[in-house]
Amino acid sequence: NAGVMQNPRHLVRRRGQEARLRCSPMKGHSHVYWYRQLPEEGLKFMVYLQKENIIDESGMPKERFSAEFPKEGPSILRIQQVVRGDSAAYFCASSRSDSSSYNSPLHFGNGTRLTVT
Amino acid sequence: KQEVTQIPAALSVPEGENLVLNCSFTDSAIYNLQWFRQDPGKGLTSLLLIQSSQREQTSGRLNASLDKSSGRSTLYIAASQPGDSATYLCAVGPGTYKYIFGTGTRLKVLA
Repeated sequence: NAGVMQNPRHLVRRRGQEARLRCSPMKGHSHVYWYRQLPEEGLKFMVYLQKENIIDESGMPKERFSAEFPKEGPSILRIQQVVRGDSAAYFCASSRSDSSSYNSPLHFGNGTRLTVT
Repeated sequence: KQEVTQIPAALSVPEGENLVLNCSFTDSAIYNLQWFRQDPGKGLTSLLLIQSSQREQTSGRLNASLDKSSGRSTLYIAASQPGDSATYLCAVGPGTYKYIFGTGTRLKVLA
């Protein structure tokens, strides 16, 4: 029973390059959430997706950041033209899709640590 | 705007002590509250989830309580062990899905 899988674990990009972070939710989960953890700060919500739909992207910067969760395949968080301030740990979480999902615990992946040089 | 505060920020105790971690939140209109553990360089592990209608949850040596009216939750760890050393995070669900996290308590249990 695999948990939430994120890859890569570590990603190094030079300023101006693109970063693609992948997340496969737990089996049976169709709700995916992305959070960002900046050094010495708490986790901050970025975006909430269900299959083929962005439900809430209010925590995601309007420019350079995008997210998708296609019908087939993992969820992707994409950061274009990365800057040093994007260096952080990006965590994906998933939860169940049934009517009790609001009270289902979030299951987190191990994160992708992005370093922009 | 909901704010979540965790006190203390860091804690160092000898093995075997019982300890209490505190979490406070400013808006009592929450859906649930979840405690997580985060090990260095790793992801978050869910420890306990308390729904808004509940007062406490227990799992092994862990007990979490919730007092919505006063905006507080505590995580009680009994008979602490070196393996409990980690950062403990409290997160409140404000009625939907956008969990708001505290900055955590870094716990070190000395052998």
